[in-house]
Amino acid sequence: RKEVEQDPGPFNVPEGATVAFNCTYSNSASQSFFWYRQDCRKEPKLLMSVYSSGNEDGRFTAQLNRASQYISLLIRDSKLSDSATYLCVVNSSGRNTGNQFYFGTGTSLTVIP
Amino acid sequence: DVKVTQSSRYLVKRTGEKVFLECVQDMDHENMFWYRQDPGLGLRLIYFSYDVKMKEKGDIPEGYSVSREKKERFSLILESASTNQTSMYLCASSTETGVTNEQYFGPGTRLTVT
Repeated sequence: RKEVEQDPGPFNVPEGATVAFNCTYSNSASQSFFWYRQDCRKEPKLLMSVYSSGNEDGRFTAQLNRASQYISLLIRDSKLSDSATYLCVVNSSGRNTGNQFYFGTGTSLTVIP
Repeated sequence: DVKVTQSSRYLVKRTGEKVFLECVQDMDHENMFWYRQDPGLGLRLIYFSYDVKMKEKGDIPEGYSVSREKKERFSLILESASTNQTSMYLCASSTETGVTNEQYFGPGTRLTVT
């Protein structure tokens, strides 16, 4: 079983739409959770960390459900500039092993004019 | 701003050549990572290091080795490049401590082995 699984999409949505991405993780001891954004032929960049209480940053809302081992990202009022691949990332720290990050394969979003 | 730099953006090598990919970070991060990214497979961890001279195998270490002689520099070595190592290689770093310990990525090296 993969450490992190997410729907690869693609998601094609019109401008202004609301779109939600989901992600599940297998290690219940995971400690930190993130959504990264990756533009075509560029490196991944942090979009937002995901906290247990849920958090919002402008049009973006991230939720974490530890009991179900589930993470979500909601994008409201989609813009053309939101078109990218969104990566779900889970971090586990072990003693003497440093931080290990596990990546989903990414969900592709295209916002259509 | 954290900066992670990689020695080359694009590289073309021949089968059997020894290839060095260099990564440098300027934020005194303890942890450094090498990934490869292929379509449909996402990012796969090759090696990581949590301290100078320390290294740990990731999910796909075969055909690769690494070196971390200084805290800021983490090198990936392809001992004898093969065509199945054609890929995008991404270096990342992260800190051990702090509330948010996200990874910061370099711009990537697109390696083609012919």
